[in-house]
Amino acid sequence: GESVGLHLPTLSVQEGDNSIINCAYSNSASDYFIWYKQESGKGPQFIIDIRSNMDKRQGQRVTVLLNKTVKHLSLQIAATQPGDSAVYFCAEKGGSNYKLTFGKGTLLTVNP
Amino acid sequence: DADVTQTPRNRITKTGKRIMLECSQTKGHDRMYWYRQDPGLGLRLIYYSFDVKDINKGEISDGYSVSRQAQAKFSLSLESAIPNQTALYFCATSGTGGPEQFFGPGTRLTVL
Repeated sequence: GESVGLHLPTLSVQEGDNSIINCAYSNSASDYFIWYKQESGKGPQFIIDIRSNMDKRQGQRVTVLLNKTVKHLSLQIAATQPGDSAVYFCAEKGGSNYKLTFGKGTLLTVNP
Repeated sequence: DADVTQTPRNRITKTGKRIMLECSQTKGHDRMYWYRQDPGLGLRLIYYSFDVKDINKGEISDGYSVSRQAQAKFSLSLESAIPNQTALYFCATSGTGGPEQFFGPGTRLTVL
């Protein structure tokens, strides 16, 4: 079946460095992608989204890149801070329904 | 005040007991979802509802049932709880503005 996956389960960075979290997807019909942040003991929190007709979208300190050719999605966090430590999930929406399929998550740890 | 609330936040129960988890939202969204989260498996969809009269099974609905009492309320029931239903349960909502989903804080359920 279709799946959303992540290349690395954990990522450790130094405070101030840039972080890149990757996600592979396999459903070529997916037309919308989201990144979520989940802090310990909390529900997933929306970070940024991108539609399939775009290849880049920027937010505050975050950028999402979409490469439809290789079905790859990445989240870049600039000047990573300790408060960025969390699990990050990508999710995709395939076709016309509103269901999302979630990846398993990457744990980002920011070292001071 | 939180837009999506879940009660209880934590629950410990015994095998065979009936359990109800409740979700309320003040976002005015029509679409509501129930997910479970297990370590290493990400978020998996149990049931979803696109309006008060619409209920749909997700990928892991066996052993669960739901009720959409009103636009703002969506409850999840475990008719006869079993230990492998021990997990973190999340309610989410989405509106007509886009497919992004907004999550509640979660309910940690332990079945002994």
